[in-house]
Amino acid sequence: KNEVEQSPQNLTAQEGEFITINCSYSVGISALHWLQQHPGGGIVSLFMLSSGKKKHGRLIATINIQEKHSSLHITASHPRDSAVYICAAIYGGSQGNLIFGKGTKLSVKP
Amino acid sequence: GAVVSQHPSWVICKSGTSVKIECRSLDFQATTMFWYRQFPKQSLMLMATSNEGSKATYEQGVEKDKFLINHASLTLSTLTVTSAHPEDSSFYICSVDRGNNSPLHFGNGTRLTVT
Repeated sequence: KNEVEQSPQNLTAQEGEFITINCSYSVGISALHWLQQHPGGGIVSLFMLSSGKKKHGRLIATINIQEKHSSLHITASHPRDSAVYICAAIYGGSQGNLIFGKGTKLSVKP
Repeated sequence: GAVVSQHPSWVICKSGTSVKIECRSLDFQATTMFWYRQFPKQSLMLMATSNEGSKATYEQGVEKDKFLINHASLTLSTLTVTSAHPEDSSFYICSVDRGNNSPLHFGNGTRLTVT
């Protein structure tokens, strides 16, 4: 069964802290996405990964194919980073086989 | 700027009525779009794949006669919730398939409340 597991489910941090969100998945993915869902519900794509590491501003995403694990890191966190972060894996090369994690609700306090 | 426009962003309707949600691809001719549903504190779940010029493909457990999908042009897919029921209250969101090596592009979602 294709699954995506995220942890933690909820995360509260102080402004400036380094944040890590973890994602584990089953074998056979062709790509892994990290998404940000705002309180109003809108979803923004942060990263698409199939190997290695990507960085965009204060956000870093890594993936370890052998361990079937990906992490999203936020450096120098800020209250505006408060959102739900979702890991999603594409199985079989088709976006129609996109499996979402349950999300990590991040709250960054000033 | 937004490349997928979804409308309306929220709607309240009475039980038994129908509600239409539109998803527009603003900068890409999309032969395939996807419709998802998200219940509170749950994952996004794929409801159906909308195919331009042909019938939608529905996921197991999703009633095709209740959730009508029309994808008549390369830039517009619509989801109509027919004979809405309070259990249909949810967050509905669409995305556009721009190819397997592309980032995902979602609409802003529609929050449906059926009273």
